[in-house]
Amino acid sequence: DTEVTQTPKHLVMGMTNKKSLKCEQHMGHRAMYWYKQKAKKPPELMFVYSYEKLSINESVPSRFSPECPNSSLLNLHLHALQPEDSALYLCASSLLSGLTPTGQYFGPGTRLTVT
Amino acid sequence: ILNVEQSPQSLHVQEGDSTNFTCSFPSSNFYALHWYRWETAKSPEALFVMTLNGDEKKKGRISATLNTKEGYSYLYIKGSQPEDSATYLCAFITPTLGSGGYQKVTFGTGTKLQVIP
Repeated sequence: DTEVTQTPKHLVMGMTNKKSLKCEQHMGHRAMYWYKQKAKKPPELMFVYSYEKLSINESVPSRFSPECPNSSLLNLHLHALQPEDSALYLCASSLLSGLTPTGQYFGPGTRLTVT
Repeated sequence: ILNVEQSPQSLHVQEGDSTNFTCSFPSSNFYALHWYRWETAKSPEALFVMTLNGDEKKKGRISATLNTKEGYSYLYIKGSQPEDSATYLCAFITPTLGSGGYQKVTFGTGTKLQVIP
C-alpha cells in the first residue's frame, strides 16, 4: 500500500468553528509533513513530525495545532481560522533515511474554505 | 530563505513534441533534488530523486539531468502526450541529519504543462 489518504476532501468552516484534518499512511514511514498550498503557488511546509515528535514548526500561527497520535496518523486541528487560511492542505510522508534522500509520498489534499 | 525557481511558468506544446524545463537552486551545500508531477485533483507523484552531479534519470519518456555545480536541473519529456499535462514541481531537499533524517523541502514555483492533442 503506497497511498497517503486525507479526509475530508473538502471542508467549509466558519471563523468560530473547530475542525480537524486527518492524514493516514501504512507504509511504515516515520516522517510526516503538513503543507499549505495557495492557488498558483508551490506548497509551503508547515510542520514536520519525526518519530511522532514535532521536529519543525515553520512559524505557523497557533490556530493550527498538529498532532501525531501514532506512526500512521497525522492530524491538523483548526480553530478560529481566518479567511486567508483558505487553501489546499497537503499531507506527506517519507522514510527517515539518514544520509540517503528519498522521495515523499503525498495525499490528495483537503481543500479548506474559511467563511 | 532558499530560492528555487522554475521556468517557464507554463508551457503549451502539441502532442508528439518534445519539451524541457528548468529548475534552478542554490549550488552550495547540495543534498538532493526531487521532481514531482502533479495532475489536477490528484496527489503530487514523485518522479525522480537526484543526488549526484551529472545524474541522469529516466522513466519512460521522461528524463532528468542534474548539475549541482551550477545549480540547475532539466526535465525532458520526449514525444509529449495529453496525459503528460500536469504541473511539474522540483523540490530542493535540506537534510536534518541530527534528528533522524527527515527532509526539509523547498518547492520550486512549478511549470504547468498543457499538451494539445
